[in-house]
Amino acid sequence: DAKTTQPTSMDCAEGRAANLPCNHSTISGNEYVYWYRQIHSQGPQYIIHGLKNNETNEMASLIITEDRKSSTLILPHATLRDTAVYYCIVRVSTNAGKSTFGDGTTLTVKP
Amino acid sequence: NAGVTQTPKFQVLKTGQSMTLQCAQDMNHEYMSWYRQDPGMGLRLIHYSVGAGITDQGEVPNGYNVSRSTTEDFPLRLLSAAPSQTSVYFCASSYRTGPHEQYFGPGTRLTVT
Repeated sequence: DAKTTQPTSMDCAEGRAANLPCNHSTISGNEYVYWYRQIHSQGPQYIIHGLKNNETNEMASLIITEDRKSSTLILPHATLRDTAVYYCIVRVSTNAGKSTFGDGTTLTVKP
Repeated sequence: NAGVTQTPKFQVLKTGQSMTLQCAQDMNHEYMSWYRQDPGMGLRLIHYSVGAGITDQGEVPNGYNVSRSTTEDFPLRLLSAAPSQTSVYFCASSYRTGPHEQYFGPGTRLTVT
């Protein structure tokens, strides 16, 4: 699975959009981009995934560049409860159980 | 569905003791995995299984054993606990085919003294 690079930490004001970047320059054509988050010491929680097209669900939007070498997770209206560590993972669809989690981005939402 | 369950939630062991961390899922997922998370770090894969009777090693398998006799259960055994195994342990499960996400349990916080 391709390696990902994320900033160590980011701040966001409550109510504003949080844009979390992820670089995955060695991504292969059959690899998906997944985002998870971990609040405090809870188990990671799935947010969203995509292959080529931009995706949106009730939690967030995922923007993948045309060359697929980077992506951005967007939380449209961040709340204090969105303070968490966010992980960007790149893998083929059949490697779900072997996902590699890096250190992620610690997002702090401030009032 | 209960999802992924883990027991115990907390455990303190003395060096050299053995124990088994339990993990169960009720979603009929083929894939199950064990991760450990040390303070301030990401998750590291210990062992994983793609189905009953099949297991394989992850990044940090030393000191741990697993087996998968049923689809539902995937226990993690510490044979002789060491202080370096102090960590939070997460179990996860997912479908094997298709771009499905992993579901994680609440974790077991283990301290080895």
